[in-house]
Amino acid sequence: DAGVTQTPRHEVAEKGQTIILKCEPVSGHNDLFWYRQTKIQGLELLSYFRSKSLMEDGGAFKDRFKAEMLNSSFSTLKIQPTEPKDSAVYLCASSRGLGANTGQLYFGEGSKLTVL
Amino acid sequence: AQKVTQTQTSISVMEKTTVTMDCVYETQDSSYFLFWYKQTASGEIVFLIRQDSYKKENATVGHYSLNFQKPKSSIGLIITATQIEDSAVYFCAMREGTGGADRLTFGKGTQLIIQP
Repeated sequence: DAGVTQTPRHEVAEKGQTIILKCEPVSGHNDLFWYRQTKIQGLELLSYFRSKSLMEDGGAFKDRFKAEMLNSSFSTLKIQPTEPKDSAVYLCASSRGLGANTGQLYFGEGSKLTVL
Repeated sequence: AQKVTQTQTSISVMEKTTVTMDCVYETQDSSYFLFWYKQTASGEIVFLIRQDSYKKENATVGHYSLNFQKPKSSIGLIITATQIEDSAVYFCAMREGTGGADRLTFGKGTQLIIQP
């Protein structure tokens, strides 16, 4: 089975632009997570979905960050408008979910965003 | 609220020795799961090992083992016979509860450097 696929791998944006990051989870997985990784804050959960339903929409991140799951095999993370402090690696992960209780997340390789 | 703390930011050891990485956690739940993940230089994050809070036996997978000290809310990762390819950043993580999604809270990571 293919792993989690994220595109683009690298994105450079001007301040104020809108960017969309994409993720394809492992086939058959029910839970999908978006994390942001920075050196200072580490891995921060932005949003997550259970069977395509949004379960958490990011708390402090919700004003400019919007995650969507259009179908069970595709999710997007939109950042609008971007700010330099959004520069980070955005990681998508999926897990079997539905009571599997494994805690085993499968991560994509990440999308590195640089906002100028 | 749950919290995971890794106080060691970086550890350097010689190849073929044993290393222990520390992690302490905070939770109000009586049932929870603890994990260690590894992030390689390429950015890939992979699951290593898991400990269920109700199990007294320390989990072991290959040359990874855990030192679970529940009264101290501590879950250390032990790597024996270290190899150069063990050089990576190691993250401790926790999942609360037995239902719901695999929503993990991560520590900020410990960088492990294996010297030849």
